[in-house]
Amino acid sequence: AQKITQTQPGMFVQEKEAVTLDCTYDTSDPSYGLFWYKQPSSGEMIFLIYQGSYDQQNATEGRYSLNFQKARKSANLVISASQLGDSAMYFCAMTYTGGFKTIFGAGTRLFVKA
Amino acid sequence: GAVVSQHPSWVICKSGTSVKIECRSLDFQATTMFWYRQFPKQSLMLMATSNEGSKATYEQGVEKDKFLINHASLTLSTLTVTSAHPEDSSFYICSAPWGGTGDNYGYTFGSGTRLTVV
Repeated sequence: AQKITQTQPGMFVQEKEAVTLDCTYDTSDPSYGLFWYKQPSSGEMIFLIYQGSYDQQNATEGRYSLNFQKARKSANLVISASQLGDSAMYFCAMTYTGGFKTIFGAGTRLFVKA
Repeated sequence: GAVVSQHPSWVICKSGTSVKIECRSLDFQATTMFWYRQFPKQSLMLMATSNEGSKATYEQGVEKDKFLINHASLTLSTLTVTSAHPEDSSFYICSAPWGGTGDNYGYTFGSGTRLTVV
């Protein structure tokens, strides 16, 4: 069965510092996709970054990078130079073959301190 | 591109009434729409998958007679919460895949609907 685990319910980071949000996954499918989404208090889901299971290089999108360690089945999100506007809920998600369903982790709430 | 417009953004209704939530794809054809439910401080839980022109597929434990899903066109999917009760109060959000192949789909989300049943 597919599973996404986010073990950090909440994280604090000082403004302008980098922060890593952890995500581990479990799947027996050889082909899958890993996503990170940001959900501010307004509720909308904002796509941040995507990593395919066959991608050789770690994905990067501006201040976001995904530390993909396939053997460890981890897909941690790194946010560099945190900003106050980064305070939000962050969800790790995985799509897998057999219907392109997406499963979500429990989420990590990030608090950026001024 | 790939915008899904979801309405209403919030609704308060009386117990026993029905509420319809709409998700429209504005600049692409959404042959599939996923409907999620999110309780406060929890993750998104998939309720059902709707496909244009066919019956929706519901996840285990989701009452299909209570949560009616219609996907009559390539740009519109609706979720109707019938005979709503306070325990149906939740945040409902839709999502549609677009582009890509295999697992490399992009997903775009509606802005969500906060339902409060009083």
